[in-house]
Amino acid sequence: DIVMTQSPDSLAVSLGERATINCKSSQSLLYSSNNKNYLAWYQQKPGQPPKLLISWASTRESGVPDRFSGSGSGTDFTLTISSLQAEDVAVYYCQQYYSFVNSFGQGTKLEIK
Amino acid sequence: QVQLVESGGGVVQPGRSLGLSCAASGFTFSNYGMHWVRQAPGKGLEWVASISSDGSSKNYADSVKGRLTISRDNSKNTLYLQMNSLRADDTAVYYCVKDFGGPYDYWGQGTLVTVSS
Repeated sequence: DIVMTQSPDSLAVSLGERATINCKSSQSLLYSSNNKNYLAWYQQKPGQPPKLLISWASTRESGVPDRFSGSGSGTDFTLTISSLQAEDVAVYYCQQYYSFVNSFGQGTKLEIK
Repeated sequence: QVQLVESGGGVVQPGRSLGLSCAASGFTFSNYGMHWVRQAPGKGLEWVASISSDGSSKNYADSVKGRLTISRDNSKNTLYLQMNSLRADDTAVYYCVKDFGGPYDYWGQGTLVTVSS
């Protein structure tokens, strides 16, 4: 099974500053036939189900602010929030859907410094 | 609009069984793969099981294989999770999730299952 490892486990960033969350997979998520990375990012706020932010490693979902961006390929991926807003406080998860047995990272808790 | 409404959660004793349902609306249910994802109290997300759009293909996490069974009834727009031989570590909020060819675009609000004597 594919293991997803996020870093750091928690992160405190000042308002307006950049936040960076990393995600590493135990095997490549790049499917050679279509050159797509099977990696998504989700945001979960307290008491709510997760919300899809980014799919295919870098495709921002409709309605997601453009301060959120995803990058990376193969086994190493990054979620970047370019200018942290108060409403971005949440837990962020990466997820692979390359394998039929999907899996999530352990989550990164993002707080305001 | 897309709605996924889970039901069937509750308190159950270890070793007993429980069945969850997820009523789907607002999209053509029979066209999409579906999943169950769970979250233990204060913990992260754990993918549990998936089923293809026609129900012919199913996959399970190792932690639930042989005990939990995913199924669907496309005529009723409903997803199911039958849980047998429940253990304390199955205690979690169970989310019904729709995928669109990979990523999960819609999640239900979840139903809490508590396994306790």
